[in-house]
Amino acid sequence: EADIYQTPRYLVIGTGKKITLECSQTMGHDKMYWYQQDPGMELHLIHYSYGVNSTEKGDLSSESTVSRIRTEHFPLTLESARPSHTSQYLCASSEFGQPHNEQFFGPGTRLTVL
Amino acid sequence: AQTVTQSQPEMSVQEAETVTLSCTYDTSESDYYLFWYKQPPSRQMILVIRQEAYKQQNATENRFSVNFQKAAKSFSLKISDSQLGDAAMYFCAYRSATGTASKLTFGTGTRLQVTL
Repeated sequence: EADIYQTPRYLVIGTGKKITLECSQTMGHDKMYWYQQDPGMELHLIHYSYGVNSTEKGDLSSESTVSRIRTEHFPLTLESARPSHTSQYLCASSEFGQPHNEQFFGPGTRLTVL
Repeated sequence: AQTVTQSQPEMSVQEAETVTLSCTYDTSESDYYLFWYKQPPSRQMILVIRQEAYKQQNATENRFSVNFQKAAKSFSLKISDSQLGDAAMYFCAYRSATGTASKLTFGTGTRLQVTL
């Protein structure tokens, strides 16, 4: 399996709480991505990063924010969680360069907001 | 914008048999990449196979092969000699060959069941 990790794997939290989903990779990849995936549905890109201090919004609007202070770390934060944020969040990374480069995915965080 | 369509929400195949998963896409670009990803239950998504649009030869990886029809914008996945471990969600994905973002556009997925 790929060397990309996400914590926590499962999170149940109340409305209004601030949460941070962690994502780390040990492959030295410059590019990192966050996808949102509802059960049985496709993945939607919500954030991506080319490298340190680079962050961009993805195709799906999201109230979450991200930061990239270190190459290996790409956390996602929700300042005030709502039930509409209930979903699975997948982190991925890839090498900079050829567009055919594979994206490696983490195991995902399944978030439930009550 | 590119779109990817997987018209088969669920498929079932008997062990050792062959199954084909369908994928069509829409794009105005001439150079791009197509991927099939596998997402097993509660496990990480992994790449199954990739195809470069400028290559006419269909990609093959062991029991997995694709039928890439560029003019028809079709990219189906054939799994031969199906095994129980092939049971998973399969996602077709598109990536433009231009730009540096390397963003993937995914289809809605096909859930494959493998029966004895």
